[in-house]
This record gives sequence, structure tokens and C-alpha cells, in this order.
Amino acid sequence: QSALTQPASVSGSPGQSITISCTGTSRDVGSYNLVSWYQQHPGKAPKLMIYEGNKRPSGVSNRFSGSKSGNTASLTISGLQAEDEADYYCCSHAGRNVVFGGGTKLTVL
Amino acid sequence: QVQLVQSGSELKKPGASVKVSCKASGYTFSTYAMNWVRQAPGQGLEWMGWINTNTGNPTYAQGFTGRFVFSLDTSVSTAYLHISSLKAEDTAVYFCARGLTMTTVATFGYWGQGTLVTVSS
Repeated sequence: QSALTQPASVSGSPGQSITISCTGTSRDVGSYNLVSWYQQHPGKAPKLMIYEGNKRPSGVSNRFSGSKSGNTASLTISGLQAEDEADYYCCSHAGRNVVFGGGTKLTVL
Repeated sequence: QVQLVQSGSELKKPGASVKVSCKASGYTFSTYAMNWVRQAPGQGLEWMGWINTNTGNPTYAQGFTGRFVFSLDTSVSTAYLHISSLKAEDTAVYFCARGLTMTTVATFGYWGQGTLVTVSS
């Protein structure tokens, strides 16, 4: 099972919006509305930000949103803040497996 | 509140074995599967598999069969990851992770703090 494809890095200025893409296949992202997104700060455990494509767990800011089109899922962060600087990982159900993306480093300029 | 507390860092020699623990609290242990996720230094997250905490039946992802074993001690609400015949490439942080709810799939809402396993001679 290959990893989902994410851009290695994205950047944006405070207040701007950015979008991180996550491309899979018809065996994972394309077949299920079961994509989740995780934020990870250095030395910390990942934190769930979006699940089932576009749902936010309790306590996660509504600046974070998710979407999907075909085999590609996306995470959008609006109103960028300094504390959003972190690594972001997408994740998808894939039948009997779970597959993560390679991760995207978000830099807030 | 839900908490997953993992055992401390380990330094092992090649060929040795290691057992990482993940103690759960704040919920009924047997009602949620426990997953294991690996993160090599500077690398991304890699799902290793999961264990059914009700039956004890493990499922391993490709690449994690043979030397990797998931187990449980339900009497103390603890899941274990045992790695044998350690290699340098096993050096990583290992996380345990639980589903967000009983019905969500491939959605890890709760994570342990991670356990660094270093394999070096």
C-alpha cells in the first residue's frame, strides 16, 4: 500500500489561507469518505484536525476545513496564525489497511 | 478524560528485543481497538496495524509481520508492542492511538505521547 501524496511544503503569511492536497487512488481516498488530517508540532504526538473528510472534532478551530474531489482530498486553513506552523498528515481508510500521506510542512511567514 | 500513557525511551543493541507499553485510562479499554503508528526520525507517519482489544486478535500492516507483535493485558488496560531481532532501521518513535469514537474508521482521536526506540551498537 503506497503512501498518499502530499506536497513537501507550503507556506503562507498570517491571515492568509492555504490548502494542502492529498492524492490517493480509487482504492483509498477515492473509495471512501474516510480521510482524516493530523497536525503535528515538533516532538509532539499528532492531533486530529479533520475526520470523515470534513468533520471537526470538538475543540478544533473552524479555520480548519476539509474537502474531497475524486482521488484527492484537501485541507484548508484560513486566517493563518503563527501556531498553525507544523507538519500536516492526511490519512485514509483503504479496505483492510490505513494509509498516511508523506506529510506537509507548513511555514507561516 | 481519555489518556494513553506510553513507556519511556529505550536504547537497544541490534538483535535485541523491546516491549513498548501503552496504558489506557478514562474509558472502557475493551470497547476500542488500539492502533500502532511508527515515525522514523525526520520521516512521516506509518500505520503498523491494530489489535482488537475485545478478542486480542491483531492485524498487521504490510511490512510489519514477523518481528512485530501486538498484545494486551486487559486486567491493567494496557496494550503492548513487542519488536524482536531489532535492526538499526527500527529506530523510530512508536505511537499507540485510539479511534475517536466507536463508529469512526481510520480516525485516530487519541494518541499516546510516543516512545522513542533507538537501535545502536
